[in-house]
Amino acid sequence: DTEVTQTPKHLVMGMTNKKSLKCEQHMGHRAMYWYKQKAKKPPELMFVYSYEKLSINESVPSRFSPECPNSSLLNLHLHALQPEDSALYLCASSQDSGGPSYEQYFGPGTRLTVT
Amino acid sequence: LAKTTQPISMDSYEGQEVNITCSHNNIATNDYITWYQQFPSQGPRFIIQGYKTKVTNEVASLFIPADRKSSTLSLPRVSLSDTAVYYCLVGEWAMNRDDKIIFGKGTRLHILP
Repeated sequence: DTEVTQTPKHLVMGMTNKKSLKCEQHMGHRAMYWYKQKAKKPPELMFVYSYEKLSINESVPSRFSPECPNSSLLNLHLHALQPEDSALYLCASSQDSGGPSYEQYFGPGTRLTVT
Repeated sequence: LAKTTQPISMDSYEGQEVNITCSHNNIATNDYITWYQQFPSQGPRFIIQGYKTKVTNEVASLFIPADRKSSTLSLPRVSLSDTAVYYCLVGEWAMNRDDKIIFGKGTRLHILP
């Protein structure tokens, strides 16, 4: 199984809502990533988890809160988002997080719209 | 990570070979070159990775000259389904370094019938 799954596929939320994005992989990968992608722009790295510990936080606002309950799951908790946070949120995993040979496997993404 | 420069867009026709070049003048000794493909509303997909000379797999070839300051992704006999954005990444990201995983602006490849 070389698949990364993400739920939900689409999410519409108000600025006062709390919601969560979920990502799952069963490839035994030890690194997991969250990216944000705006229309016609490249993916931007948000967070990296390595062996279930947060290792990189790219100065992401605190209204985004990542969580890695176990090596197969990655969550992104959302609270008090702004309309400019509307984007495609991508999850990825790789065998490990160091070195160039670790191919990243991406999920299909969650299309988030903040109203 | 080394900064990369790619053409913003390219057009080609079905059945043709397409070559997309990426410039990375400040590539470091330990850096690898990786290419990803992305279709609309999907996550990127790994295509190929290399360090020097030539690498070939079932979908593409990657040509890297001796100075490694550029690389060329070659897609043989493209079809309409190869219409996508292609990203070149250069680096050796490691958790104990301050490197970032940065996708360049990518090349929008449009295949015409």
